[in-house]
Amino acid sequence: GAGVSQSPSNKVTEKGKDVELRCDPISGHTALYWYRQSLGQGLEFLIYFQGNSAPDKSGLPSDRFSAERTGGSVSTLTIQRTQQEDSAVYLCASSRRDRQQETQYFGPGTRLLVL
Amino acid sequence: SQKIEQNSEALNIQEGKTATLTCNYTNYSPAYLQWYRQDPGRGPVFLLLIRENEKEKRKERLKVTFDTTLKQSLFHITASQPADSATYLCALGALTFGSGTRLQVQP
Repeated sequence: GAGVSQSPSNKVTEKGKDVELRCDPISGHTALYWYRQSLGQGLEFLIYFQGNSAPDKSGLPSDRFSAERTGGSVSTLTIQRTQQEDSAVYLCASSRRDRQQETQYFGPGTRLLVL
Repeated sequence: SQKIEQNSEALNIQEGKTATLTCNYTNYSPAYLQWYRQDPGRGPVFLLLIRENEKEKRKERLKVTFDTTLKQSLFHITASQPADSATYLCALGALTFGSGTRLQVQP
């Protein structure tokens, strides 16, 4: 079946603007994760959803970042009042159940550039 | 805090040789450890998962070891090919990823 999809694939925005990033997980996957990857860096965990609830928001870097998931499927990551340091690749992943020993399937990412 | 380290220097090897990548960690006792491959402009792709009670796991030309005493995992690719060139990430449990090691296999 189809893999994890993310949109847009690239986003250029001006400092101070809000952006919304979308993730469509694999059908039937109940767990969904958001990560951020800066150039040459590893993946920085942002938030995790089990169904529509987010039991772990510990990675969100500031209150400018928020995420929601509806219908146990699509998720959106919103960054308000973007800053240049928000520039990175934002990766979404999904897995069949919760995060215990379940393979994560990653999307291609959204490349965000804040000017 | 948890810390995971992978060699940030790129690893360059000749085709046919065995590539060995290292993942070290501190302040954590993961129940399992994962290795992923990431190509430029793409998301990571899962390769292998090894649990704390397993010493070694194999899949085709790939082998992973997990030493909970040394707090280290080694990732081996035997008979390496240019197509193996990529960045390889290790992850402690589900959420803590290393920065990856770039492997370049020369033909």
